[in-house]
Amino acid sequence: NAGVTQTPKFRVLKTGQSMTLLCAQDMNHEYMYWYRQDPGMGLRLIHYSVGEGTTAKGEVPDGYNVSRLKKQNFLLGLESAAPSQTSVYFCASSYYPGLEINYEQYFGPGTRLTVT
Amino acid sequence: AQKITQTQPGMFVQEKEAVTLDCTYDTSDPSYGLFWYKQPSSGEMIFLIYQGSYDQQNATEGRYSLNFQKARKSANLVISASQLGDSAMYFCAMREGSGGSNYKLTFGKGTLLTVNP
Repeated sequence: NAGVTQTPKFRVLKTGQSMTLLCAQDMNHEYMYWYRQDPGMGLRLIHYSVGEGTTAKGEVPDGYNVSRLKKQNFLLGLESAAPSQTSVYFCASSYYPGLEINYEQYFGPGTRLTVT
Repeated sequence: AQKITQTQPGMFVQEKEAVTLDCTYDTSDPSYGLFWYKQPSSGEMIFLIYQGSYDQQNATEGRYSLNFQKARKSANLVISASQLGDSAMYFCAMREGSGGSNYKLTFGKGTLLTVNP
């Protein structure tokens, strides 16, 4: 049981280049999330998905696109990378959070992205 | 207004002593949940403890306990008998609402805890 995995772990891009970050989970979770972590800012939600084929915007969605073609995978795309997108990106997943049930989010190990 | 406030950017504690990390939250929703995550220098996010807004008792998980004061809107993490391995960044987070809308977590900016030998 690998939990939540992210590919790649590190990446350096030049401004204007594109890339896709892959998140995979093997826990049959319905919900998946992409966060970015910047120094002094905590984690901020970029996009999320409540099920296969559905995505929605989070707190800081600009410059990113996502897709969830399969339940176990959630892809984060940067079409034209900018230095402001230099960050650590975390993927997370969880079960459907019912009323007053604690379904914590399980996090992947993170991807460190540098845009020069 | 910030939904989650962690006022201590950094904290120091001696090994084997207890330490309290502060967290205050802001919500008008009667149904919410509060989480604490630990992020060691290796970078992964580790879930520590959860407190639901309707829980009557403070949550405890081993050496971790959550001092939940609902009227003050505070959810402080207490770590007893600190260990060197507790040195890490600690994040408080909140999930608001119930049913299908309560899946989004809002994080605080974190507190960096250093345990001294």
